[in-house]
Amino acid sequence: DAKTTQPTSMDCAEGRAANLPCNHSTISGNEYVYWYRQIHSQGPQYIIHGLKNNETNEMASLIITEDRKSSTLILPHATLRDTAVYYCIVRVDRDDKIIFGKGTRLHILP
Amino acid sequence: GAVVSQHPSRVICKSGTSVKIECRSLDFQATTMFWYRQFPKQSLMLMATSNEGSKATYEQGVEKDKFLINHASLTLSTLTVTSAHPEDSSFYICSAYTGTAGYTFGSGTRLTVV
Repeated sequence: DAKTTQPTSMDCAEGRAANLPCNHSTISGNEYVYWYRQIHSQGPQYIIHGLKNNETNEMASLIITEDRKSSTLILPHATLRDTAVYYCIVRVDRDDKIIFGKGTRLHILP
Repeated sequence: GAVVSQHPSRVICKSGTSVKIECRSLDFQATTMFWYRQFPKQSLMLMATSNEGSKATYEQGVEKDKFLINHASLTLSTLTVTSAHPEDSSFYICSAYTGTAGYTFGSGTRLTVV
């Protein structure tokens, strides 16, 4: 079973920041938080990952709470192309299988 | 960045025939690949873990004789859907661990069995 819970869907206005929450209250100390997104009829795309510290890359920022029980993915300036299902995943080992939860369907509104 | 190439992107086959889907790691070696299936409006469901040079590990409820997985080299894993039926129609996706980017996924194969 997936170890994360996410809202089923969210809306965000184009140009605004999209903040996607994820709950992972049973996360272990050595488990990373990964975020992927899936645009319709495509394979999932890696966005970002982190362990304890907040992370930022060219796509997004990842904010992890101090107790690591939840995190937020931030898309700073959402565009229509960011419309997708976003998956928050926790995993440990490099070859550990990824179990997907239901994800959050993000709608960017023009 | 690391790329996983999956072919074909779409395939239509008749009931009772077999279909092979290929998953290649283009610029890295993948000792482990994963195969997923996705039905419309549902999440990805892990089917099996493909290990180079050894037998695949199947998730509970997945028929290993129906979904044959071969991982004969460090850059190629194949999934063969044998004796396909309409209920096997789905979106099949492979992935491999790439290091810094975690897992990279193929673009998926849309299988339609008629």
